[in-house]
Amino acid sequence: NAGVTQTPKFRVLKTGQSMTLLCAQDMNHEYMYWYRQDPGMGLRLIHYSVGEGTTAKGEVPDGYNVSRLKKQNFLLGLESAAPSQTSVYFCASRGGLADYNEQFFGPGTRLTVL
Amino acid sequence: AQKVTQAQTEISVVEKEDVTLDCVYETRDTTYYLFWYKQPPSGELVFLIRRNSFDEQNEISGRYSWNFQKSTSSFNFTITASQVVDSAVYFCALTPYNNNDMRFGAGTRLTVKP
Repeated sequence: NAGVTQTPKFRVLKTGQSMTLLCAQDMNHEYMYWYRQDPGMGLRLIHYSVGEGTTAKGEVPDGYNVSRLKKQNFLLGLESAAPSQTSVYFCASRGGLADYNEQFFGPGTRLTVL
Repeated sequence: AQKVTQAQTEISVVEKEDVTLDCVYETRDTTYYLFWYKQPPSGELVFLIRRNSFDEQNEISGRYSWNFQKSTSSFNFTITASQVVDSAVYFCALTPYNNNDMRFGAGTRLTVKP
């Protein structure tokens, strides 16, 4: 039982390049989330998904796209990376319908855009 | 709009001291959840506690205790007899019930010196 995993752990991009971050969970959770963490700002929600085939915008969605083609995977894409997207990206998942359970977080991906 | 404020950016204590981390929140919702997460130097996010808005009982878990006061919109976290292993960034977070818009505070960096 690996929990929530993220690929890759580190990445360096040049401005304008594209990339996809992969999040996978093996807990059969319905809900999945992508956050970014910047110094002094805590975590901010980028996009989330309430189930396979569904996605929704969070607090800071601009410049990112997501897809949830399989229940266990949640992909975060950057079509044209910008230096402002340098951050640590965390994926999370949670189960539960009637009650709000805690989110389980992945280890994070450190992205640098030059 | 929801907001979480952790006014203490950094706190430094000596081992065995007690320390309280403050969390003040704003929300228009009557039903919501509050969380505390710990982020040690290794970077992962560790769930500590969840509290729903209808449960104002204080909670104690070992050296950790939480004080939830709706009247002052606060959810403070106290570590008794702090240890070096408590050194981490601590985040307070808020989400409305049945909603996926979790908002985090900026975090408080706690350093416990031996």
